[in-house]
Amino acid sequence: QVQLQESGPGLVKPSQTLSLTCTVSGGSISSAGNYWSWIRQIPGKGLEWIGYIYKRGSTYYNPSLKSRVTISLDMSKNQFSLKLNAVTAADTAVYYCARAGLRLGEISPSGFDPWGQGTLVTVSS
Amino acid sequence: DIQMTQSPSSLSASVGDRVTITCQASQDISKSLNWYQQKPRRAPKLLIYDASNLETGVPSRFSGSGSGTQFTFTISSLQPEDIATYYCQQYDNLPRYTFGQGTKLEIK
Repeated sequence: QVQLQESGPGLVKPSQTLSLTCTVSGGSISSAGNYWSWIRQIPGKGLEWIGYIYKRGSTYYNPSLKSRVTISLDMSKNQFSLKLNAVTAADTAVYYCARAGLRLGEISPSGFDPWGQGTLVTVSS
Repeated sequence: DIQMTQSPSSLSASVGDRVTITCQASQDISKSLNWYQQKPRRAPKLLIYDASNLETGVPSRFSGSGSGTQFTFTISSLQPEDIATYYCQQYDNLPRYTFGQGTKLEIK
C-alpha cells in the first residue's frame, strides 16, 4: 500500500524558507486521481490544510497561506515538496504529507489517507 | 471559511461505555464530513467519510451520523485501543478543507 515519509530540517530561522520533502512508496505520484497534500498541526492546536498538487502540476492552496506557499512534484524521485517562505514562530508545527484520493464520482478529493508520520519543524533563531 | 466546532474538547470514559462526540459546522455542509482518529504520537487515520460511511477495515463499533450542520461520532463500546484524539473535517467548500479542534478521549 502507499506509504509517505516526510524529510527536511527540524529547525528554521525566522524570515527564512521552510523546505520539506515527502517520499512516496508503494505507488506512483503520477497515478490518476491522487492529490498530494501538506497538512500541519500546531502544537496543542488542531489541524490546518496547507495545500495539494495534482500530477499535472495543478496546485491548490489554503488562502490564508497562499502568498507564502509553493508545492511541487519531482516525478523522477516519486517525491513532492513544500516550501513556506518568510516563516515566523507561528509556523512551528508538525508537518504531515498525505494523499487525497478521489472517490468514485468525486471531482475534488474529500479526505486525506494515508498520512506520513509527520515531522516537527521549529522556527527559532 | 467554514468553522467546525467539536464538543466536548476532552472526554473520559470506561471500557465498554458508549461514547459520543459532536461536530457542528458554521454553515450547511450536507454530508461532506469526515472523522479521523489520531493516536498518541501517530498520524491521523481516516475512519469515516461522507458523515456515516466506514473506511474499509474500521471496526463496526465506530459510527457516524448527521447532515447539514450537526454531526455525531459514536463508539458503541469503548475499547482500550480507542484512546486517541478524534477530529472532524469538512469538505463542502473545496478546496478549503477545515478541521475541528479535536476531542481527546481518555480511559477512566
